[in-house]
Amino acid sequence: QQQVKQSPQSLIVQKGGISIINCAYENTAFDYFPWYQQFPGKGPALLIAIRPDVSEKKEGRFTISFNKSAKQFSLHIMDSQPGDSATYFCAASRSYGGATNKLIFGTGTLLAVQP
Amino acid sequence: EAGVAQSPRYKIIEKRQSVAFWCNPISGHATLYWYQQILGQGPKLLIQFQNNGVVDDSQLPKDRFSAERLKGVDSTLKIQPAKLEDSAVYLCASSPVGMWLAGANEQFFGPGTRLTVL
Repeated sequence: QQQVKQSPQSLIVQKGGISIINCAYENTAFDYFPWYQQFPGKGPALLIAIRPDVSEKKEGRFTISFNKSAKQFSLHIMDSQPGDSATYFCAASRSYGGATNKLIFGTGTLLAVQP
Repeated sequence: EAGVAQSPRYKIIEKRQSVAFWCNPISGHATLYWYQQILGQGPKLLIQFQNNGVVDDSQLPKDRFSAERLKGVDSTLKIQPAKLEDSAVYLCASSPVGMWLAGANEQFFGPGTRLTVL
């Protein structure tokens, strides 16, 4: 019940295209869903995050879509650029109830944006 | 604002040797995390500190791993003795507020220490 399943494992997109990465979770107690971007040799960096009281959040070219009933959320990268080439991780955690707010990460998606 | 600092960046040891990693979180951050990231996988939490107290160490292999956060600031993670399967990147992260506060989830990661056990 602690798992977060992420797909696809890898993704190749042409410059200017839309990149879509999907995640699914099981634990309905999760209430914080961030996406992290990781470049080789670097630590993950927070890209965008959403809470379940909204169905969509947009920041620049990055959008999270959230479907609470299906327990799924996805990252959309519009107008994908070669500089977006990185590994993307979805994650989930609880922020209430006194329990640990550790992040449960998906397995990652390696995105390559071709020029 | 300076980020999370970690050292060393790389370490190569032989199995059964010991190793220690150091982390200095962002100034003022109350919560500190150590994650293990095996190649091709997402990070997995090893231990979480709230100030200098342990909040969650349920996935820490306590027979060989230990961690401390003296004075509630920087932290060290030790492995003794190391096994081949400990080869991974060890990430330290910190969070600005106590975990019981709403919205206290944003975690800032350091660059990690890449450990290779031969």
